[in-house]
Order: sequence, then C-alpha cells, then structure tokens
Amino acid sequence: AQKITQTQPGMFVQEKEAVTLDCTYDTSDPSYGLFWYKQPSSGEMIFLIYQGSYDQQNATEGRYSLNFQKARKSANLVISASQLGDSAMYFCAMREGRASKIIFGSGTRLSIRP
Amino acid sequence: SAVISQKPSRDICQRGTSLTIQCQVDSQVTMMFWYRQQPGQSLTLIATANQGSEATYESGFVIDKFPISRPNLTFSTLTVSNMSPEDSSIYLCSVQPSTPDRRLHEQYFGPGTRLTVT
Repeated sequence: AQKITQTQPGMFVQEKEAVTLDCTYDTSDPSYGLFWYKQPSSGEMIFLIYQGSYDQQNATEGRYSLNFQKARKSANLVISASQLGDSAMYFCAMREGRASKIIFGSGTRLSIRP
Repeated sequence: SAVISQKPSRDICQRGTSLTIQCQVDSQVTMMFWYRQQPGQSLTLIATANQGSEATYESGFVIDKFPISRPNLTFSTLTVSNMSPEDSSIYLCSVQPSTPDRRLHEQYFGPGTRLTVT
C-alpha cells in the first residue's frame, strides 16, 4: 500500500508567490518522522525540513514551513515568497518508528515563472 | 550536516559488466543506505548497510545483483552486477548522522552516480 502520497505531479507558480506542496501519509506507528527534500536538475537530494510525530509545533526552516495536520495525516510543505531557484522536484518522505530507512513519495515538479 | 562523496559521478557501461560505486562520509555513521532512482521516478531503497554485518535488502533486490560492502564506519560500496539497460539509474548513498543532537533524525544524501547501461 502506498504510504506516502503526493497528488500533484507538477505545479506552476508565479515568482514571489507562496506555494503549498501536498503530502499525505499512512502509518499505524505512533512514532514517525516526515521529511521534505528538494532535487534540482543536477540530481542532488537536498534536505529541507523535518517534522517528528511528537513535535508540538510545526517545523520551520527559513522560507520553508511544514503544515503538519496529524489527524488528517498530512504534511504539506509551504514555501513562502518563491524564487526562480526553487524550481525543482520536491519529495516527501517518511520514517516509521525505530526503522532507520525512509521511504519516498512520487514527487512534485515545481516550476517558478518569472 | 555530513559531507558525502560518491565515485564515480557518472559512467556508461556495457551490458553484462559490473560497476562498483563508492561512498565516503566525512564522519563516522552507523547506518548507510543505498537508493536507486530510475529515470523520471522517485527514490527506491535498495539496502541498508551496517558496519560489521550483512546488508539488509529490500523486497525486489538481492545480494547477488547488488553486493554491498561496509568495511568501516565511513565507507561503503555498492556493486551493480551483470548490468542490463534496465539498471540505468541514479544510485545514491545516504547516511543518518550519529551526532547526539537534534539533527540525529535527519538523513543526508551523496551527489549520486548516474549510470547508463548500453
């Protein structure tokens, strides 16, 4: 069964606008972690932000914030004031319980228009 | 964050041959992971490599096809054996830092190895 779902294969956003990338997850483990990575055309995987299931507040890292809605099992990434350099693939990922491995969603290709 | 390097960065290989990919980390890490990213796809975990023990392979991946070595806490290799065009992918090494701070939960990736099999 799909554990990480990203329903937006591609998005176009105007520069300087905020953008929300959707991610829903499925797990029965009360302890888990959620990640967002950015993959530009160069292929590298850049860690953006992490949210633990027991964290009381939504994670933020600069222009990135994670809208964590535990009851709805969603972990959307919000990028404020988008820039041309934000154009890339974005992957949502999850680590369950004590497992160290993380599994990835299918990704969303974000394109920023000037 | 951990600094991770991979060699080679890219290669073009003939079918039937094997390629060994190296992953070097600038600090000691307990867990190292190998992922595959086929063209236009997401990342799929191949195996988890612990130092001093056999690698743990995910469903659909076998040791004969993807042998892994983990001789110490900073280094690992992945071999893609008897390659076919379907093995053309980006192969990425990933580590979970061992530092006892809040970033323990984070996971970082190497730059990847782009493999093309002809």
